[in-house]
Amino acid sequence: IAGITQAPTSQILAAGRRMTLRCTQDMRHNAMYWYRQDLGLGLRLIHYSNTAGTTGKGEVPDGYSVSRANTDDFPLTLASAVPSQTSVYFCASSEGQMYEQFFGPGTRLTVL
Amino acid sequence: DQQVKQNSPSLSVQEGRISILNCDYTNSMFDYFLWYKKYPAEGPTFLISISSIKDKNEDGRFTVFLNKSAKHLSLHIVPSQPGDSAVYFCAASLNRDDKIIFGKGTRLHILP
Repeated sequence: IAGITQAPTSQILAAGRRMTLRCTQDMRHNAMYWYRQDLGLGLRLIHYSNTAGTTGKGEVPDGYSVSRANTDDFPLTLASAVPSQTSVYFCASSEGQMYEQFFGPGTRLTVL
Repeated sequence: DQQVKQNSPSLSVQEGRISILNCDYTNSMFDYFLWYKKYPAEGPTFLISISSIKDKNEDGRFTVFLNKSAKHLSLHIVPSQPGDSAVYFCAASLNRDDKIIFGKGTRLHILP
């Protein structure tokens, strides 16, 4: 059982480019989340999805978009990357918002 | 405005002794609290949780204490082991159906 997989593991991106971070879970969890982790700031919620077909904004949604076409996949898209989006991005899932979250291994993104 | 605060960025504890990680929160409506543990280059993993109707929850070497009047919770690890060296995130939610808000984390070093 893989749990949650994220791709790519790391990426260096030129500012202004479009980038999609992939997240797939095989636990059939209803809820999925995207966080960014920055030094000294902890984990901040970007977007979330309570169930397939629905999404919501978290604490820092600007510059990011998500989609939830099915239960397993929850891609995060940066339409036009900026250096301030340099961060480590974690995808997570849970059976519902009422349950503990399981995290993926993260994607380290550098925007130059 | 930071709703979940971990004021100690780092903590060093001798192996075999007790590690105490502290967390304060500002929103008295928080109803559910969690601790996550994170190793370098890995995603956070759920450690232990507590509901606001309790003041203590224990799981093996890990115990979480909740003081609602002081809006304070702490994680005790007894005895501390080398594998406990990690970053610990405190988190809270308004109820088990709501999004989780994370603190900035405390890096725990277990000294040999």
